[in-house]
Amino acid sequence: GNSVTQMEGPVTLSEEAFLTINCTYTATGYPSLFWYVQYPGEGLQLLLKATKADDKGSNKGFEATYRKETTSFHLEKGSVQVSDSAVYFCALRRAGDYKLSFGAGTTVTVRA
Amino acid sequence: NAGVTQTPKFQVLKTGQSMTLQCAQDMNHEYMSWYRQDPGMGLRLIHYSVGAGITDQGEVPNGYNVSRSTTEDFPLRLLSAAPSQTSVYFCASSPDRGLDEQYFGPGTRLTVT
Repeated sequence: GNSVTQMEGPVTLSEEAFLTINCTYTATGYPSLFWYVQYPGEGLQLLLKATKADDKGSNKGFEATYRKETTSFHLEKGSVQVSDSAVYFCALRRAGDYKLSFGAGTTVTVRA
Repeated sequence: NAGVTQTPKFQVLKTGQSMTLQCAQDMNHEYMSWYRQDPGMGLRLIHYSVGAGITDQGEVPNGYNVSRSTTEDFPLRLLSAAPSQTSVYFCASSPDRGLDEQYFGPGTRLTVT
């Protein structure tokens, strides 16, 4: 079946540090890949997505590249801010499915 | 445009009680779904609907019922609450079945004692 494995947290960083959150997946075919973010007390919001191999999704300074050869979709940001403190979820949707499969989430705390 | 709304925000139930979690969206979205969020487990899909009158089970449907009589509303019913159903519940909607983007409600925190 489909599954998503995320780097375990929590992750604590200082402002302006580099952030990487690893995400690998197991799925047949060519799934679509997503990163969602959940700020404290809120529902999830789509951060970025990629629908085919070698696509790069980007938003708010975050980037992730769909790597078919390593079945990965790692999230990166070059210089984090306190406002980036949140829980980040990697997710996939297999082509033809009506469902998303989510990873366990990674809690990121950025200190001033 | 309110987006996806959920009520209540918080609820405490005793084991065996029943209740309905409400979800509504005003974006005319075809697809709606319910997830539960538990620590260390991410979000797990309970039920989903690809349109009015059509529902299907997700990963963890046991103990929950849904119906979709209108495009706007997608209530989740707990038939006989159990402590294992203590969780945060999120409703989400999407304009299409491709789920290119899902819009999430603010969540309902449910405690079953």
